[in-house]
Amino acid sequence: DGGITQSPKYLFRKEGQNVTLSCEQNLNHDAMYWYRQDPGQGLRLIYYSQIVNDFQKGDIAEGYSVSREKKESFPLTVTSAQKNPTAFYLCASSIRSGGAGEKLFFGSGTQLSVL
Amino acid sequence: GNSVTQMEGPVTLSEEAFLTINCTYTATGYPSLFWYVQYPGEGLQLLLKATKADDKGSNKGFEATYRKETTSFHLEKGSVQVSDSAVYFCALRHLNTNAGKSTFGDGTTLTVKP
Repeated sequence: DGGITQSPKYLFRKEGQNVTLSCEQNLNHDAMYWYRQDPGQGLRLIYYSQIVNDFQKGDIAEGYSVSREKKESFPLTVTSAQKNPTAFYLCASSIRSGGAGEKLFFGSGTQLSVL
Repeated sequence: GNSVTQMEGPVTLSEEAFLTINCTYTATGYPSLFWYVQYPGEGLQLLLKATKADDKGSNKGFEATYRKETTSFHLEKGSVQVSDSAVYFCALRHLNTNAGKSTFGDGTTLTVKP
């Protein structure tokens, strides 16, 4: 079955440590996205990529980095510069048609916590 | 800029009760409107959508009508089940705008008790 796989489901970060969240999709989608979700709040866009080897900052990119070396993969690194990293992180993808009905497909998320 | 406002939760209902979750938006032009649902410990999944005024989106007994005159897209279900317990997000996106740049509401948590 096609879908988006995020791993790990739970991740713990120590002070000063960088951690990387994995996101893989087999939907053949061009566009991929990373969101941060805090309790009781909506989704905030961290980074997005519309095509391989290209990505753009979203609304809250500071303290995060990404790469898009393959169409299927869009890993997110939470760096030590991100001072409040505890959150639920969601990866998503879309066909990038620009059409009115274009929708997002989401992974199951990674819960990141600080030790 | 664009914004989406959802009714505050949490909402607690008994099984078979009628559900309404209010959603209003602020945007220029004619955005597409979406409802996504998030079950515990999972990502979001599309529940229904409407792409132009007066369109009604429907799925799994849920319905929402795109009301341009009131800038609303309220979610309704006639008889909720325990399995409907989840967080519901209203969202909007303009045509030719990257889907990932959708504007989301803060979510409304629904708990249905047997």
